[in-house]
Amino acid sequence: GQNIDQPTEMTATEGAIVQINCTYQTSGFNGLFWYQQHAGEAPTFLSYNVLDGLEEKGRFSSFLSRSKGYSYLLLKELQMKDSASYLCAVRDRDYKLSFGAGTTVTVRA
Amino acid sequence: ETGVTQTPRHLVMGMTNKKSLKCEQHLGHNAMYWYKQSAKKPLELMFVYNFKEQTENNSVPSRFSPECPNSSHLFLHLHTLQPEDSALYLCASSQDPGTGSYEQYFGPGTRLTVT
Repeated sequence: GQNIDQPTEMTATEGAIVQINCTYQTSGFNGLFWYQQHAGEAPTFLSYNVLDGLEEKGRFSSFLSRSKGYSYLLLKELQMKDSASYLCAVRDRDYKLSFGAGTTVTVRA
Repeated sequence: ETGVTQTPRHLVMGMTNKKSLKCEQHLGHNAMYWYKQSAKKPLELMFVYNFKEQTENNSVPSRFSPECPNSSHLFLHLHTLQPEDSALYLCASSQDPGTGSYEQYFGPGTRLTVT
C-alpha cells in the first residue's frame, strides 16, 4: 500500500508564494502527480514528475526527490482563484494511483 | 469541461433503492476509473477498466457493481447501500493506465447521499 502525507491546510496572501509538501512511501515508484480541485468541481491535472528535479509550468512548479520520497508544489504570484485543494498522487509499480488527502489553500486579499 | 461527463450530479437514495451512476468520456481514452471521495479523506480508487476489461477491484463491497460496455462508457450500479457510502463518486479516464505521463481526466462527480 501507499502512505502519502501532505498538510491539511495552508493560508497565504495574494501575490505571495506557497509551497505544499508531500511525502510518500510506496511499493515501487512510477511517477508523482499534482492535481488541483476547486470546491464542488473535478480534480484537474497540474504537473507530473518521474525524475528528480524541478518541473516548471508558468506560476506553478513541482519538485521531486525520489531518494527522499518527497515532492513539493510551488505556487507563485498567488491569485484568489488559486484557492482550492491540491492533491498529491503517486503511481506505484503496478501503475496504481494513490492520492493524499489534499491540502486546502486559502488565498487572502 | 474535461471531456468526462457524469450523471446524475446529485443523487439521494434510500438504503433499499437501486440506482446507477453513469460516466462517459469523449477523449478516446482506453482506461476508465471509479473513485470515492469522502470529506477530509484521500480519493479512494474503487475500480479500473482497461480496454473494457476490469483490471482492478480495490476490495470494494459487492453492493457496488461496475459495468463497462465499451471504452467510452462506465456505470456504477448501486444497491442496498449504507449511510457511510454517502460521498462524491468521481469517474476518470486516461489514455493508458500505466506508461508515461498520461494523467487522468476527471468528471465532475456525483454527490451521493444515502438516507
